[in-house]
Amino acid sequence: EAGVVQSPRYKIIEKKQPVAFWCNPISGHNTLYWYRQNLGQGPELLIRYENEEAVDDSQLPKDRFSAERLKGVDSTLKIQPAELGDSAVYLCASSPGPEANTEAFFGQGTRLTVV
Amino acid sequence: QKEVEQDPGPLSVPEGAIVSLNCTYSNSAFQYFMWYRQYSRKGPELLMYTYSSGNKEDGRFTAQVDKSSKYISLFIRDSQPSDSATYLCAGGNNRKLIWGLGTSLAVNP
Repeated sequence: EAGVVQSPRYKIIEKKQPVAFWCNPISGHNTLYWYRQNLGQGPELLIRYENEEAVDDSQLPKDRFSAERLKGVDSTLKIQPAELGDSAVYLCASSPGPEANTEAFFGQGTRLTVV
Repeated sequence: QKEVEQDPGPLSVPEGAIVSLNCTYSNSAFQYFMWYRQYSRKGPELLMYTYSSGNKEDGRFTAQVDKSSKYISLFIRDSQPSDSATYLCAGGNNRKLIWGLGTSLAVNP
C-alpha cells in the first residue's frame, strides 16, 4: 500500500515568491494534517482536515498561508508571499481516525529554502 | 513553559548500550503518549503508543509513563546502529497532540 506522497521533495525560492506543496494521503484516511518542522524542533501543527473541512487551523498564519482539500482527498498548502523565516520542512500526514491520539502516517516532507 | 519538554541531545552511545530517552509534560489532562522515530530526511513514524500510566514493551523497546510525576520514558535495549535517529515524544488527548523537540541519538558500531 502506498504511503503518504508529497511533492516536491525540495524547493528553493526567493523571498516574496509564492510556493505550493501537494499531498496525497493514504487511501481511506479521512484525517489530513499539515505540519511545519524547523531544524532541531518537533512538528508544529498548521492545519487539520476532516474530509474537506478544516477543523483546526488555529496555528495557520492566515495572512500568507492557505490550504485546501478539495473532494476530501489530496491537499495543497500555499505560501504567498514567502519569507525567509518560512524555510523549514513541511510535513503532510494522514490518519484513519479523527482523534488527535490516532496514529499519524507521515510523508517524507517538502524541504523549503527561502533565499 | 512548553507543554512537552524534551532534551534535544545529541546523545551518543556505543552499540549494545541501553538507551534512556525522557520527556516531561505539564498538562495533567494528557492521557495518550507516543514515541515517534524520525530518520534523517524522512517523516516521523510511530514507534510506541501508551495510554495513561504504565509500561509497554515491544521487542527491544519499552515505553514508560509515570503520570504522578508527568514523566515519559523510552528505553532501548541492545542498541543498534540502525537505531540512530531522532526520537520525538508526544502527549495529548483526543483533541490535541503536543510534540517535544526530539532527541538525536547516534549508536556507534
